[in-house]
Amino acid sequence: DAKTTQPNSMESNEEEPVHLPCNHSTISGTDYIHWYRQLPSQGPEYVIHGLTSNVNNRMASLAIAEDRKSSTLILHRATLRDAAVYYCIPGGTSYGKLTFGQGTILTVHP
Amino acid sequence: GAVVSQHPSWVICKSGTSVKIECRSLDFQATTMFWYRQFPKQSLMLMATSNEGSKATYEQGVEKDKFLINHASLTLSTLTVTSAHPEDSSFYICSAPQAGTEAFFGQGTRLTVV
Repeated sequence: DAKTTQPNSMESNEEEPVHLPCNHSTISGTDYIHWYRQLPSQGPEYVIHGLTSNVNNRMASLAIAEDRKSSTLILHRATLRDAAVYYCIPGGTSYGKLTFGQGTILTVHP
Repeated sequence: GAVVSQHPSWVICKSGTSVKIECRSLDFQATTMFWYRQFPKQSLMLMATSNEGSKATYEQGVEKDKFLINHASLTLSTLTVTSAHPEDSSFYICSAPQAGTEAFFGQGTRLTVV
């Protein structure tokens, strides 16, 4: 599994954009980049995933570097409900077997 | 979206007893499910892969005789913690992938062994 590096924590104010970075320099050519988040005392939930091109969905955007060694999860307008631990996980799409790193604790201030 | 339900949400048991945790995929079939464990302020660690109709695959260091996994149907996997001890107290989470893309997680079960 590719090793990932994420900031331990980040802070944001409500209504402001948040950019959560992830380095995955050892990612293989066929690995997707998945992002999940875990709210306090809950199981993780899917946020977004991509392979090479930038991706958008109703929750977030994913910007993937051209060399695929890093990616950035973008929350366009943070809300208090976005306070969670965000995990960047390189891996295949099949079977949902995920290797979680330490993730980034996002704090959103009102 | 797809839903994975875990039961119970929390359980307290006495040391030496066994506890069963259920994981159900409510609106899709899952031939494979995964069980994770999460200690306080730590990340999720994969314990085992649950395979419908066959034996589970355990990660290195996870005792298969202590953590019994049964995946008897396409919508239900169970994890039984046998002879539980206080060090087994943790947050147990299951997941099931749908259509080989995203994984759906249960809400987790907080086990406290006293």
